[in-house]
Amino acid sequence: DVKVTQSSRYLVKRTGEKVFLECVQDMDHENMFWYRQDPGLGLRLIYFSYDVKMKEKGDIPEGYSVSREKKERFSLILESASTNQTSMYLCASSATGNGNTIYFGEGSWLTVV
Amino acid sequence: TQLLEQSPQFLSIQEGENLTVYCNSSSVFSSLQWYRQEPGEGPVLLVTVVTGGEVKKLKRLTFQFGDARKDSSLHITAAQPGDTGLYLCAGGMEYGNKLVFGAGTILRVKS
Repeated sequence: DVKVTQSSRYLVKRTGEKVFLECVQDMDHENMFWYRQDPGLGLRLIYFSYDVKMKEKGDIPEGYSVSREKKERFSLILESASTNQTSMYLCASSATGNGNTIYFGEGSWLTVV
Repeated sequence: TQLLEQSPQFLSIQEGENLTVYCNSSSVFSSLQWYRQEPGEGPVLLVTVVTGGEVKKLKRLTFQFGDARKDSSLHITAAQPGDTGLYLCAGGMEYGNKLVFGAGTILRVKS
């Protein structure tokens, strides 16, 4: 079974703090993704990566950055957290050519106060 | 921009009833995935369909990919309370590795 693991399930951070969300996958997938999910807005793509050290902006990259130093790990960084970044964050991975099928982690609930 | 319209948004039914959820687009997709998500958890893959006209069955769930690969449906027979959750469809773009997600259908099955 594909396993996508997000390091933190629940976080509470203060406005202005730097926040790291870590994600690891164990299936040697080339592609990794970060989404946020908000009521009424559905899943929105923040950033994705198709190879080590490669990244591309998704639909809502503002206020976020990412890092992919190793194939299995994809980190989402909030340089200066704001209250409008309170959300559920979902990491996912996929293998190139596998019908675009992506596999999600369990999610990280971030509250910025 | 490719859009995937999912309907209905909400569905509340009694145990034992049948239901169908639809995903429609004017765009052609290379594949179509269906996911189920429970509150506080990540979406879990149910099925991937890749061929126009393809039908896949998963116990009481039947998934169909339209002949033109622009639409898909999920049919649940004899729904049970355990089927309650958010159902998401997602279309694979012809080029690249990204998915386009529908807005989701919240299903509640009452016992």
